[in-house]
Amino acid sequence: GQNIDQPTEMTATEGAIVQINCTYQTSGFNGLFWYQQHAGEAPTFLSYNVLDGLEEKGRFSSFLSRSKGYSYLLLKELQMKDSASYLCAVSFNKFYFGSGTKLNVKP
Amino acid sequence: ETGVTQSPTHLIKTRGQQVTLRCSSQSGHNTVSWYQQALGQGPQFIFQYYREEENGRGNFPPRFSGLQFPNYSSELNVNALELDDSALYLCASSLGDLGGQETQYFGPGTRLLVL
Repeated sequence: GQNIDQPTEMTATEGAIVQINCTYQTSGFNGLFWYQQHAGEAPTFLSYNVLDGLEEKGRFSSFLSRSKGYSYLLLKELQMKDSASYLCAVSFNKFYFGSGTKLNVKP
Repeated sequence: ETGVTQSPTHLIKTRGQQVTLRCSSQSGHNTVSWYQQALGQGPQFIFQYYREEENGRGNFPPRFSGLQFPNYSSELNVNALELDDSALYLCASSLGDLGGQETQYFGPGTRLLVL
């Protein structure tokens, strides 16, 4: 595998900011992708990085540092509906996913 | 523009049986990838089809096979089902002409239970 690691579970408060980290031990991939998956549903695309740096898309931002083998997804102004699993994946045309981080947003 | 669709949504089979799962790709997409997702895990890559040819395979035995048709829809076939094959099977479509930087869009999945 690609040794993609994410925290198993996180809890945050509505309105707050949360950072979900993803570390990996691989190189030469085309891009790093973040997906959101609600229980029992398909993953939906959130953001991706090809180059190092920060990509911002509304309340969601993703950061990549290839030299450090590290990415994170930043969620701002948390809403209850953000309670879901967040998956990071490296792309070599095929996607290799981490096990996902389950985010619990509490009132 | 239609999204990715899969059928059936749920399926129950017994050990040793065979199953065929179907996927219609998003309009304009020529690549379909199949994934197996066990409960509490991330999706695991099974194989990918690009313009009707297999374009890579993950660590799955040969009893997992597939096809892609001229309209870019796809099938996943699993022979000699085992209990561990119980999972959510996801297909994802993409426009596979951009060297791996293209986003994959997932269908709703087929939940397979093997008894």
